[in-house]
Amino acid sequence: GNSVTQMEGPVTLSEEAFLTINCTYTATGYPSLFWYVQYPGEGLQLLLKATKADDKGSNKGFEATYRKETTSFHLEKGSVQVSDSAVYFCALSGDDYKLSFGAGTTVTVRA
Amino acid sequence: SQTIHQWPATLVQPVGSPLSLECTVEGTSNPNLYWYRQAAGRGLQLLFYSVGIGQISSEVPQNLSASRPQDRQFILSSKKLLLSDSGFYLCASALRDRGGEKLFFGSGTQLSVL
Repeated sequence: GNSVTQMEGPVTLSEEAFLTINCTYTATGYPSLFWYVQYPGEGLQLLLKATKADDKGSNKGFEATYRKETTSFHLEKGSVQVSDSAVYFCALSGDDYKLSFGAGTTVTVRA
Repeated sequence: SQTIHQWPATLVQPVGSPLSLECTVEGTSNPNLYWYRQAAGRGLQLLFYSVGIGQISSEVPQNLSASRPQDRQFILSSKKLLLSDSGFYLCASALRDRGGEKLFFGSGTQLSVL
């Protein structure tokens, strides 16, 4: 079945540091890949997505590229802010829309 | 656009009590609906999904059940809560249109079973 393996946290960074959260997946066929973010006290929301190989999703300064050859979808941001402190989830969706999530990575950015 | 209403936002229940969490969807028809649980320190786990009225699939054996009495209503229930049922429950809706697939989440319910 489909599964997602996500870098474990927690991750603590200083403002303007570079952030990478690794995500690899196992899936049959051609899944869509997502990064979701959960800010403190809020619900889950979609951050970015990619629906086919070599696609790059981007939003709010975050980027992730769908790498089929390495089955990866790593999340990156060049310069984080305190407001980026949140829990980040990598997710995968097959044709039936059932989402498989990673365990989540808690990111804390210090001023 | 699609909106998901989920309530209550927080709930504290004693062990052995019943549970009913409700989720309603606006702005679409015939969506696929999902219940997820996020337990402390763990990722999101799919509990149930539904492709239509009265059609429920369970992903994992558990103490919970789900029902879809109307097209845009999805209910998560339990007859007797266990301590292990504590967690954050999310209702989600998926819809495919000309713009591609769209996924929406409710704001979640934080359930504490004491």
